[in-house]
Amino acid sequence: AQRVTQPEKLLSVFKGAPVELKCNYSYSGSPELFWYVQYSRQRLQLLLRHISRESIKGFTADLNKGETSFHLKKPFAQEEDSAMYYCALSRGSNYQLIWGAGTKLIIKP
Amino acid sequence: EAQVTQNPRYLITVTGKKLTVTCSQNMNHEYMSWYRQDPGLGLRQIYYSMNVEVTDKGDVPEGYKVSRKEKRNFPLILESPSPNQTSLYFCASSGGAGVDGYTFGSGTRLTVV
Repeated sequence: AQRVTQPEKLLSVFKGAPVELKCNYSYSGSPELFWYVQYSRQRLQLLLRHISRESIKGFTADLNKGETSFHLKKPFAQEEDSAMYYCALSRGSNYQLIWGAGTKLIIKP
Repeated sequence: EAQVTQNPRYLITVTGKKLTVTCSQNMNHEYMSWYRQDPGLGLRQIYYSMNVEVTDKGDVPEGYKVSRKEKRNFPLILESPSPNQTSLYFCASSGGAGVDGYTFGSGTRLTVV
């Protein structure tokens, strides 16, 4: 079955500490993976796509096909990183995304 | 500016009174979709559309209707709203067969009393 799992509903770290938001997937094909971010009372925004191998706002995510993971990392958390983060998997050419349940990240001062 | 525009942002209505939430995109995207977001349940897809006059059910379509008469517009219709449809609704569009990701609207917070 196709599935995206974000095991942590809530993650709380101190400012300046490293952050890792976990995302595991189950998919039989070649996955296209995304991270979306939703700041308080705002729309969801695309943060990262694995195919572009970007670093946005200091965040990076590497696709590990062996572990079927796409964890989101940042070496030094900032207070403005507090938000809801969703991992998503593209089902392919039909545009459909499979969503994880989301992780709420709280950065403590 | 490339964007997805939803209206209204906030809506309070009574049970049974038909309502429409509008969604419009200016990016010439083929794909559009509606989601609802509820605490603890994440994002759940209501309906989606691959192109004009092509719509299909998502995971939670009951109680909702959509139409896609023009490429830019994808309204969500609640014929007879009920309190369990109180939620935050997002419209999204995509033009890159999934690989470009989605652009989301700013959301509509609906309360049905």
